[in-house]
Amino acid sequence: GIQVEQSPPDLILQEGANSTLRCNFSDSVNNLQWFHQNPWGQLINLFYIPSGTKQNGRLSATTVATERYSLLYISSSQTTDSGVYFCAVLNSGGYQKVTFGTGTKLQVIP
Amino acid sequence: KAGVTQTPRYLIKTRGQQVTLSCSPISGHRSVSWYQQTPGQGLQFLFEYFSETQRNKGNFPGRFSGRQFSNSRSEMNVSTLELGDSALYLCASSSGTSSDTQYFGPGTRLTVL
Repeated sequence: GIQVEQSPPDLILQEGANSTLRCNFSDSVNNLQWFHQNPWGQLINLFYIPSGTKQNGRLSATTVATERYSLLYISSSQTTDSGVYFCAVLNSGGYQKVTFGTGTKLQVIP
Repeated sequence: KAGVTQTPRYLIKTRGQQVTLSCSPISGHRSVSWYQQTPGQGLQFLFEYFSETQRNKGNFPGRFSGRQFSNSRSEMNVSTLELGDSALYLCASSSGTSSDTQYFGPGTRLTVL
C-alpha cells in the first residue's frame, strides 16, 4: 500500500517562530488532507489540498502532486498550535481508504 | 450543522468481553469510516461504510466488525477484547466521494484491563 512519511517527527518552537512540516507519499493520490490533533484527541481539519497552495490565516499548505510531497507552513506560532499534525492521503482509485502519516508532534513554548 | 458525534466517549472493559461503539455522521453524509489510534501503530484504517455497505476494509482481524444503518449512523463491534485493543477509536464522515473532506468525531477511548 501507499507509504506516507512525515518530518520532522518532533519539533519544539519558541512562540512567534515559523516552521515547515513535510509529508512525503509513495504513490499518486486523489486526496490529501492536513489535520491537527489537539491534546484531547480531536482531529481538526486544516486543509484539503490534493494539489496547489492554500492559506488560512497563519497556516498555509502546498502540495506538489507530481513530486509526491506536501508542506504545511505555520507562521508566528502560538502555544495553541501545540499538538500533533497529520497528513492523510487517499490513493487514486481508493474510496475513502485513507492512509495517515506518522505525524509531527509540535510543542510551542512561551 | 451538528458535527460528528461518538458515544460513549470513554469505556473500560476486561479481556474477553465485547464492545459496541456508535458514530453519528454529519447530516447528509453517507460515508462513515473508522480508525484505530494507538501510540505504537499510529492511526490505522479499520473500515468504511457507504449506504449501509462495507466498501473498504483495513487489515484487522475478524473480531472487528461494523455496520451502518439506513440513517447513516454506524456502529463498530469488537469481540473477545484483548489488551492490545486499548486505543482511541475515531470515526469520520464524508459525502463518500474520493475528493471529499473527512470530518472526524471526538473519538471513543477504550481501555481493556
